[in-house]
Amino acid sequence: EDKVVQSPLSLVVHEGDTVTLNCSYEVTNFRSLLWYKQEKKAPTFLFMLTSSGIEKKSGRLSSILDKKELFSILNITATQTGDSAVYLCAVEETSGSRLTFGEGTQLTVNP
Amino acid sequence: NAGVTQTPKFQVLKTGQSMTLQCAQDMNHEYMSWYRQDPGMGLRLIHYSVGAGITDQGEVPNGYNVSRSTTEDFPLRLLSAAPSQTSVYFCASTQWQGSDTQYFGPGTRLTVL
Repeated sequence: EDKVVQSPLSLVVHEGDTVTLNCSYEVTNFRSLLWYKQEKKAPTFLFMLTSSGIEKKSGRLSSILDKKELFSILNITATQTGDSAVYLCAVEETSGSRLTFGEGTQLTVNP
Repeated sequence: NAGVTQTPKFQVLKTGQSMTLQCAQDMNHEYMSWYRQDPGMGLRLIHYSVGAGITDQGEVPNGYNVSRSTTEDFPLRLLSAAPSQTSVYFCASTQWQGSDTQYFGPGTRLTVL
């Protein structure tokens, strides 16, 4: 059975801190790993990772995938209160576009 | 281009009632799916469809039916609502091949009393 585990489940930091969110997975036919940000509404897409070792960056957010060790990390530098959200990791199978989601990490950034 | 639309946004049902959650997309996406989101559980796949006329079960299909008569529409039916189905429901779509993201609808918050 496909499995995606995120850690930590919740995290409280101060503005300006750097955070690292973790996602490990067990999927039979891996195609890609995706990160989403959810703020009290539908998830919004952040990154899609398909290859090991290639960092994806978008402003203060970056992510990298390790297909050998079956995990990914999402880094957020110089956090802002607007980064407060649930961050979801999902893995896509090659057999179709099915996504298996992790539980999410609730990030709270205090001023 | 409206993307993925869902109706209603909110719904309260009594146990045993039936209803249909509507989902439509205007991006000509082949693949559509329904998720439910519960506190501490992340998103769980209910049913999905890889094209018109084709549907399949996801992780938590019991108590739900779907159909896909057109590419645009993918309704989710609750035949006899139960309190355990209280949740937020998201519909999503993506292109069948070469997709790099799923597009989510705004969600339907369902409460079953």
